[in-house]
Amino acid sequence: QVQLVESGGGVVQPGRSLRLSCAASGFTFRTYTMHWVRQAPGKGLEWVAAISYDGSNELYADSVKGRFDISRDNSKDTLYLQVNSLRAEETAVYYCARGTTNHYFDYWGQGTLVTVSS
Amino acid sequence: IVLTQSPATLSLSPGERATLSCRASQSVRSHLAWYQQKPGQAPRLLIYDASNRATGIPARFSGSGSGTDFTLTISSLEPEDFAVYYCQHRNNWPLSFGGGTKVEI
Repeated sequence: QVQLVESGGGVVQPGRSLRLSCAASGFTFRTYTMHWVRQAPGKGLEWVAAISYDGSNELYADSVKGRFDISRDNSKDTLYLQVNSLRAEETAVYYCARGTTNHYFDYWGQGTLVTVSS
Repeated sequence: IVLTQSPATLSLSPGERATLSCRASQSVRSHLAWYQQKPGQAPRLLIYDASNRATGIPARFSGSGSGTDFTLTISSLEPEDFAVYYCQHRNNWPLSFGGGTKVEI
């Protein structure tokens, strides 16, 4: 069965960095576009970034462009999100999600919590 | 594209019909999905391309609409349907979600 398992979250000071990971299994990872979506506590969902199946194309929300970097290692079936210059308002659960061919999200991980606080 | 969902909260009883609305700030054609999220869980895809049920989704869930106005209907609420529902468009980049509708007992 499809599984997505995020890791790498934690407490970080404003302005610092973290690297989030998402380990995929149960499907042919290298053939799917992958996404990161975040959700602040008690708030709605926000799409963050996407990467094409082969890593050749990356897209970002305007709010994170230039500070976040999405990448993937298809030999390890793993998706990454490097989050830099973090802000307090970016405290959220970060989900990785598998993209359908039509850019919906058909499988999600359980999320990893990033808390930005001094 | 801004997606506006209404109402913010819908208070209903099991067995009742739920009608949720999602309005887009510009046309998204039929490029809209609906998700269900329960507390402490990741979202689950219910409907894609406005009216197509995702795999394993019960027939009591249905979607309709095109352009800027969309509706998710739950024909007869089951206890497990009380949750938050989000719409999402994929018409262009960036992708975005609506603010959500909470369906409560």
